[in-house]
Amino acid sequence: QVQLVQSGPEVKKPGASVRVSCKASGFTFTAYAIHWVRQAPGQRFEWLGWINAGNGNTRYSQKFQDRVTITRDTSATTAYMELRSLRSEDTAVYYCARVGTNDAFDMWGQGTMVTVSS
Amino acid sequence: EIVLTQSPGTLSLSPGERATLSCRPSQSVSSSYFAWYQQRPGQAPRLLIYGASSRATGIPDRFSGSGSGTDFTLTISRLEPEDFAVYYCQQYGSSLQTFGGGTKVEIK
Repeated sequence: QVQLVQSGPEVKKPGASVRVSCKASGFTFTAYAIHWVRQAPGQRFEWLGWINAGNGNTRYSQKFQDRVTITRDTSATTAYMELRSLRSEDTAVYYCARVGTNDAFDMWGQGTMVTVSS
Repeated sequence: EIVLTQSPGTLSLSPGERATLSCRPSQSVSSSYFAWYQQRPGQAPRLLIYGASSRATGIPDRFSGSGSGTDFTLTISRLEPEDFAVYYCQQYGSSLQTFGGGTKVEIK
């Protein structure tokens, strides 16, 4: 089945780090780019960055570039997003999404809730 | 940053009616890099329209997109029960891709 499956919900304390995984199946992982976006409660979607799953090249939003790292493991067909120095404003649902041949997000993971609370 | 303003915020309609949703970028964007997504409660977004007017795979033809520059429209010709959801526009042509705030289509 063609899908992206993300890791489960996380609860973290301020200042901690979180890593969310995104497991791809049913398609050639290295032929695509994987993006990460988040949706905080009552807020619009916010783009964090992306990785070329083939060559590992990355690009990040200027807002997050000091705190986020996106990696991938081609043998595991999995992309990862790590966000550091968490604060309460980082509480959100984090999604991975595949960029299709049309350049839009043609497949999304189910989302991972990350809660930052003391 | 290109800000996408969606209107109305909420659209109250009955099944079978026509829905017209608007998205206005704060500056001109390329039609080639403009999309619409549907999000039902508790689910991830689903791609409906890319390139401003092309339907994604498996999307019914009651969904259509149009527009260019600073004025884009998503039209649902006849609302089905499963179409009541939140719709988001997205531009992905600039170095910082951005999303609109969403339009909720609710049952009247």
